[in-house]
Amino acid sequence: DAGVTQSPTHLIKTRGQQVTLRCSPKSGHDTVSWYQQALGQGPQFIFQYYEEEERQRGNFPDRFSGHQFPNYSSELNVNALLLGDSALYLCASSPYRGRQFFGPGTRLTVL
Amino acid sequence: QKEVEQDPGPLSVPEGAIVSLNCTYSNSAFQYFMWYRQYSRKGPELLMYTYSSGNKEDGRFTAQVDKSSKYISLFIRDSQPSDSATYLCAMWGGTGANNLFFGTGTRLTVIP
Repeated sequence: DAGVTQSPTHLIKTRGQQVTLRCSPKSGHDTVSWYQQALGQGPQFIFQYYEEEERQRGNFPDRFSGHQFPNYSSELNVNALLLGDSALYLCASSPYRGRQFFGPGTRLTVL
Repeated sequence: QKEVEQDPGPLSVPEGAIVSLNCTYSNSAFQYFMWYRQYSRKGPELLMYTYSSGNKEDGRFTAQVDKSSKYISLFIRDSQPSDSATYLCAMWGGTGANNLFFGTGTRLTVIP
């Protein structure tokens, strides 16, 4: 049984560009949450998707948007990238309101 | 004030030592408490998951929750070099979407 998978592993972008990160949840999980982890910090909640809808959002600007597909996979989009968006982006899957299991993350570097 | 406070360390101990890791929090609504282990450049791995106050043991790991003091702990017995990682505490309130609130993580090194 594959765990949570994320792609790509690493990504380098320049300021002002747009990026899309992808996540496939663990089998049997229908909820996907996205977190941003800056170097030396704990993960910060971006938003959560369940039944293809954004259920809750953390304190992130509208430049951060997402989507969940009928197969429960999810995308995180970030527009107008800033240097401060450089971080490890983590996807976690769970049953709705259940224990969250994290993927390996996508490391985004904005130059 | 952050909702979850955690001493970032770093913490170095000799192999075989007992390790104590701690977090404090300010939101009394938190009901579920977790500890994750994160190796360098990897995603967090769920170690312990507890509800409300009390103790939970799993092998060499023991999680303690004291809601009256808003204080949670993770104890690691007979620590091994493979335990060297960053340990993150996390928690949520049990209502609505389960967005987790994390501490900053404590970096632990177990010296052989």
